[in-house]
Formats: sequence, structure tokens, C-alpha cells
Amino acid sequence: AQSVAQPEDQVNVAEGNPLTVKCTYSVSGNPYLFWYVQYPNRGLQFLLKYITGDNLVKGSYGFEAEFNKSQTSFHLKKPSALVSDSALYFCAALNTGGFKTIFGAGTRLFVKA
Amino acid sequence: KAGVTQTPRYLIKTRGQQVTLSCSPISGHRSVSWYQQTPGQGLQFLFEYFSETQRNKGNFPGRFSGRQFSNSRSEMNVSTLELGDSALYLCASSLAVGRRGTEAFFGQGTRLTVV
Repeated sequence: AQSVAQPEDQVNVAEGNPLTVKCTYSVSGNPYLFWYVQYPNRGLQFLLKYITGDNLVKGSYGFEAEFNKSQTSFHLKKPSALVSDSALYFCAALNTGGFKTIFGAGTRLFVKA
Repeated sequence: KAGVTQTPRYLIKTRGQQVTLSCSPISGHRSVSWYQQTPGQGLQFLFEYFSETQRNKGNFPGRFSGRQFSNSRSEMNVSTLELGDSALYLCASSLAVGRRGTEAFFGQGTRLTVV
């Protein structure tokens, strides 16, 4: 079965420190990969995506993600965390030609001032 | 341009009743997907519609159904509601799921509470 795993339920980081939210996937072929963020009582917002090409993808609000094909990972990163980055983050994968995006369980990020 | 609009935002229903949720996608988007979000199960895929056709369906019972109209607006129906159906139901639209990895745009969701 195809799946997306986010091994950490919660990540805690101090403001100004770098952050990493991990994601690994098990999807056939060369999937498209996405990161979304969800703030309380809101829908998900698109952050960035990997389709092909450069393994480092830059997205909104200073976030970036590193694609590693051999490790089937797509970790979300930010050099300097802000308190306002505290939210729920979802990794997602879509196999090429498919119509169903598979989401991870989500990782809650807490950034402490 | 206007985002994805879901109505209503909040609903309280009684067990055994049925409910219909509505989603208006971003103008020009032809694909609409529905998801159920609960604290325990995360984000679960319900179904996806494109040009009024259901192209994919998740592992939900037949009580969950949907449809898409010619203007791409979509509705989701849940019959014979159960307490476990209490969740945030999210609708997402995109130009065309699977087409060069187009991202989804989500509505704010409908919070359904079954009592």
C-alpha cells in the first residue's frame, strides 16, 4: 500500500533556531511531493512542491524542502524559526498520473519564544 | 480571485440524520477532492471529482457520497449519521489532479458534530 510517513507527532524548536520536519514516502514511480500547513480552524495552505529537477525546493514564508530519492524522503526545513510558524504541517505525495493525493498524519510544530 | 468556499462552516446533527455539505472551487478549477480530518485518523481521502465524474474513492462506507455539477461546484452527502462521523470535512480544488503535480487549494472546512 502506498503511504506517507511523518515520524514525529510533534517538533519543538526555539525561535531563531533551524527547524526540520521529517517526511518519508512509499509511492510507486516518481511521485510529486508537497508540503502544506494548517493553522487552527483553517484549511490547509500550500507551502511548496517537488516535481523534478533540483533536490532543494524553496517555498513560501522562507521554508524549503530537500528531496532525497535514495532515502525516499522529503524533509521540510527553515533556517530560522518564528513563533508564527507554529502550526500543523502535512507532507503529501501524488503518484504521476494518479488522482489521489496521499497525506501523512501531520506534525505539530511548536516554536517557543 | 476568490478561494475555495465551503458551506456551512459549522453543523450540528443528530444520529441517524443526513447532511449535505457544499464546496465551490476556485474559478477555472475542475477537480474537487474531499477529505475527512479527525484528531485520531488524520486526513482521510473521501473522493475526487473531475468534470462531474468521480475518478477516485477512498475507503469509506456507502453512506458517504458526492457529486459534482457542470459548474464544478461539488456536494458531499452523509446519510444515517453516526457519532464517529464528527469531523472537519475539507474540500480542495485544483486545476487537474495529477497534471504536472498541480497543488490543491483548500477551503476552511465544515465542522460537523453529530450528537
